[in-house]
Amino acid sequence: DAGITQSPRHKVTETGTPVTLRCHQTENHRYMYWYRQDPGHGLRLIHYSYGVKDTDKGEVSDGYSVSRSKTEDFLLTLESATSSQTSVYFCAIGAGELFFGEGSRLTVL
Amino acid sequence: GDSVTQMEGPVTLSEEAFLTINCTYTATGYPSLFWYVQYPGEGLQLLLKATKADDKGSNKGFEATYRKETTSFHLEKGSVQVSDSAVYFCAQNYGGSQGNLIFGKGTKLSVKP
Repeated sequence: DAGITQSPRHKVTETGTPVTLRCHQTENHRYMYWYRQDPGHGLRLIHYSYGVKDTDKGEVSDGYSVSRSKTEDFLLTLESATSSQTSVYFCAIGAGELFFGEGSRLTVL
Repeated sequence: GDSVTQMEGPVTLSEEAFLTINCTYTATGYPSLFWYVQYPGEGLQLLLKATKADDKGSNKGFEATYRKETTSFHLEKGSVQVSDSAVYFCAQNYGGSQGNLIFGKGTKLSVKP
């Protein structure tokens, strides 16, 4: 299994609070991704990174920011969480074939 | 724009039945195509892939053939098992990028003993 760890795995927060999800990989892969999974929508790309400090927006980037200061870590931040950001968030690494973490379930009340 | 459409679920089958999950794509170029599987409470895992027209991907008894003429990549298995119960996602890469994937909405498969 690809070494991808997401934290926290579960989080409940209130509207307006900041939230940071962490993705840590041990594969030294250049490409990392954040997706969200919602019923009826499948998976949608939020942001991705193609190297340290190199990131770009995906399909649903509004309300999210990311940072990658080290190859192994890719952080997803919700500056002010909203109920529409309640979702399961998946980190992935790879190119041509993606390997996914186990997901982080976020509930915004 | 580029997109992936797969059949709506849920799909319920009896053990040893034949499975087909339809997937079609629209793309401006020649994408690679993928099937991913998600078991309950887990992340997605690559099931199989095909990188060019007429390629057949196969794994664990599942097969899919890249059909450029019909822009399809249907998933098939001759005899499903209870352990195949999961959500299946069709996907393509896009924008010339190896890793950026567009996913279909997923098809939930339940196999009854």
